[in-house]
Amino acid sequence: EVQLLESGGGLVQPGGSLRLSCAASGFTFSSFAMSWVRQAPGKGLEWVSAISGGGVSTYYADSVRGRFTISRDKSKNTLYLQMNSLRDDDTAVYYCARRSRGAVALGGGGMDVWGQGTTVTVSS
Amino acid sequence: QSALTQPASVSGSPGQSITISCTGTSSDVGASNYVSWYQQRPGKAPKLMIYDVSNRPSGVSDRFSASKSGNTASLTISGLQAEDEADYYCSSHRSGNTLVFGGGTKLTVL
Repeated sequence: EVQLLESGGGLVQPGGSLRLSCAASGFTFSSFAMSWVRQAPGKGLEWVSAISGGGVSTYYADSVRGRFTISRDKSKNTLYLQMNSLRDDDTAVYYCARRSRGAVALGGGGMDVWGQGTTVTVSS
Repeated sequence: QSALTQPASVSGSPGQSITISCTGTSSDVGASNYVSWYQQRPGKAPKLMIYDVSNRPSGVSDRFSASKSGNTASLTISGLQAEDEADYYCSSHRSGNTLVFGGGTKLTVL
């Protein structure tokens, strides 16, 4: 079964750091680009970052560029999001998602597999 | 980064058809062949309903269809069913190597 499982969320103070993980199973991880998408409480979806299948190409939303880093480990079939200098408005459920068509980070095909989400709360 | 513009809510009766619009600019929807639509039920992860403007993934009902004209994409749901009640989001690639979502539309089945 194709599956994504996020972990690493929690409560952190403003200015703090957190690393999210997304464990992939049931498919050839390196053959697919991946993204992080977040959803603040009661709000809509916001794309955060994307990475190519090989991990060479990475892209970020303006709101997180310079603070967040996306990466992936082929040997562990795991996607990561390192979040630094966290702010109150980073509070959200963070989803990892697979791009359905191949390894190009922002290619076509839409995001066809999603994890269940992990909650990040930034508060003092 | 401003979101794509969707109506906050739409409603329809069972059996009817509804259309949700998604308006962007010539830098995103107007220039992209990679417009997608997602369905999200309360407390659940989004589900891909349409990709690349008008393509349905395997397993998605053919009651869902989509198109694009200029800077506006549209999702149409025909033969509305109670199970279609959910939030719907469009997304598009945007110049500068980013992705943008719409603000979301709450569909109520009366």
